[in-house]
Amino acid sequence: EPEVTQTPSHQVTQMGQEVILRCVPISNHLYFYWYRQILGQKVEFLVSFYNNEISEKSEIFDDQFSVERPDGSNFTLKIRSTKLEDSAMYFCASNSNTGELFFGEGSRLTVL
Amino acid sequence: AQSVTQLGSHVSVSEGALVLLRCNYSSSVPPYLFWYVQYPNQGLQLLLKYTSAATLVKGINGFEAEFKKSETSFHLTKPSAHMSDAAEYFCAVSIDSWGKLQFGAGTQVVVTP
Repeated sequence: EPEVTQTPSHQVTQMGQEVILRCVPISNHLYFYWYRQILGQKVEFLVSFYNNEISEKSEIFDDQFSVERPDGSNFTLKIRSTKLEDSAMYFCASNSNTGELFFGEGSRLTVL
Repeated sequence: AQSVTQLGSHVSVSEGALVLLRCNYSSSVPPYLFWYVQYPNQGLQLLLKYTSAATLVKGINGFEAEFKKSETSFHLTKPSAHMSDAAEYFCAVSIDSWGKLQFGAGTQVVVTP
């Protein structure tokens, strides 16, 4: 069964460092998303991506964040200068326009 | 804008007892509604979804949910809890088939022997 894969599963970084989280969505899907879940809190929408551009972003997704689909298979989330409050589980998801989002296992980011 | 409210952040049920998790939604247009489950240290897995077809939706692992427009609810039930049902459950709403999901705060389910 096709699945969304994310790497790394866990990353520890120092405050101020750049982080790139990678995702390989399901191959025939057209819509891609990043969500995050701070420990003990609800899952929050960050950004959606369609046709090689951002279709919607939340207020959390400020200038420190960017997304890219560099090669037609990977979908990356970059945090330019990490802050302590960026520590969270980041989930990638994809959708083929059925309304059902398929989520990856998540990448846990710990900022020290 | 759409939103969901899950009543009860923690629910404890006995093995074999009914599981009932409550979700109420707010949406200006007919919604798409979802229940996701998250097992410890894992991602989100879709349990079931409502997309304007049958109001009673059956999902995986014996779960089902009923869409009640008059009550703006989409409660999740399972007749008989198993120990393996211990997890966090999230209700989510979307207003279209490609849009973002708005998640509820989640309900942690504990199953006791």
